[in-house]
Amino acid sequence: QVQLVQSGAEVKKPGASVKVSCKASGYTFTGYYMHWVRQAPGQGLEWMGWINPNSGGTNYAQKFQGRVTMTRDTSISTAYMELSRLRSDDTAVYHCARLSSSSGWSWGQGTLVTVSS
Amino acid sequence: DIQMTQSPSSLSAFVGDRVTITCRASQGISNNLAWFQQKPGKAPKSLIYAASSLQSGVPSKFSGSGSGTDFTLTISSLQPEDFATYYCQQYNNYPYTFGQGTKLEIK
Repeated sequence: QVQLVQSGAEVKKPGASVKVSCKASGYTFTGYYMHWVRQAPGQGLEWMGWINPNSGGTNYAQKFQGRVTMTRDTSISTAYMELSRLRSDDTAVYHCARLSSSSGWSWGQGTLVTVSS
Repeated sequence: DIQMTQSPSSLSAFVGDRVTITCRASQGISNNLAWFQQKPGKAPKSLIYAASSLQSGVPSKFSGSGSGTDFTLTISSLQPEDFATYYCQQYNNYPYTFGQGTKLEIK
């Protein structure tokens, strides 16, 4: 079965960067785009973008352009999302998620990123 | 961006009731719509994709319908574990967007 296991919680200072990992198993990693979605405390869900693990191509939501970088390491079936120039309103739970046209969405467990001075 | 509007924003119901949540897209999205359930402190759980396809392992008490701009999620025979927040999401156009959520509470 599809499993997406993310790295642990992070605490960062404003202006710093954070890199969250998402290790995939149970399917062919290069066969499906990996999406990233975040949720601020008490707020709704916000799509950030995707990476094509096969080509490395990316598509970022305009809101995050210039601050987000999505990468992957196919040798260990792991996708990464790095967010730079962190602000307090970047405090959120960050999820990786895979979309399949034949089986829908699968989610990682989420990684809490806290931005605080 | 496509706006996704859910109604109602909150809903109270009894155990055993059947409820329907509506999601409207600001422009046509074909059937590229998903529904998620979320409980406090947990990751979203996928229920429905392609507007009406049931995610593997999800009980048939959950059903989705619609196409174009108007969609519904129906939950029959509510049980205590069904009380949660429900979100719709369109994945037809970038950026993918979510509804604001519907909080389903026990009456």
